[in-house]
Amino acid sequence: DIQMTQSPSFLSASVGDRVTINCKASQNINKYLNWYQQKLGEAPKRLIYNTNNLQTGIPSRFSGSGSGTDYTLTISSLQPEDFATYFCLQHNSFPYTFGAGTKLELK
Amino acid sequence: QVQLKETGPGLVQPTQTLSITCTVSGFSLTSYYMQWVRQTPGKGLEWMGFIRSGGSTEYNSEFKSRLSISRDTSKNQVFLKMNSLKTEDTGVYYCARSGYGSYTFDYWGQGVMVTVSS
Repeated sequence: DIQMTQSPSFLSASVGDRVTINCKASQNINKYLNWYQQKLGEAPKRLIYNTNNLQTGIPSRFSGSGSGTDYTLTISSLQPEDFATYFCLQHNSFPYTFGAGTKLELK
Repeated sequence: QVQLKETGPGLVQPTQTLSITCTVSGFSLTSYYMQWVRQTPGKGLEWMGFIRSGGSTEYNSEFKSRLSISRDTSKNQVFLKMNSLKTEDTGVYYCARSGYGSYTFDYWGQGVMVTVSS
């Protein structure tokens, strides 16, 4: 199975900050990496698919990059509604696997 | 618009069978795959399996011996059944839509909480 190591687990930041969240795969996942935002009691929301494609309707302050085993989600300027949990998903090979999540909190 | 909603029993006894229904709207089950994912305190998010648009299934080997995914396209419903439940199966169960290209895990339901306890 491909292990997805997500970091950091917790991130404390302020409105307007630029933040990055990382996912490292235990082997090449060929850019088949999605990023999601999750708020308590809500459905996970897809932000980025296949490494760097912005989901329709998602603000352009969200972006993704990476290749091979290393992937990054960047939020260029945090807004109040961005404080949530973020996770990555690799869908390159079975079993699909997830990062453990990053909880983004207001400093 | 695309909507998915999971419904389930809430509480299940150990050794019993879990049955969850995912009811969808805004798209056809014959055009998309439907995934099942769970989130447990012990293991976080885990992919469980999916049913293809054509009706065949694929399972995570972690669950294969006790998991079954099926559907009723006339009712726009997908079903998860898992037997021999243990307390560590306690968690939130999600269905998600998927497909080729840009459609992988694009829409999710809000999940249903399942507690396995006597």
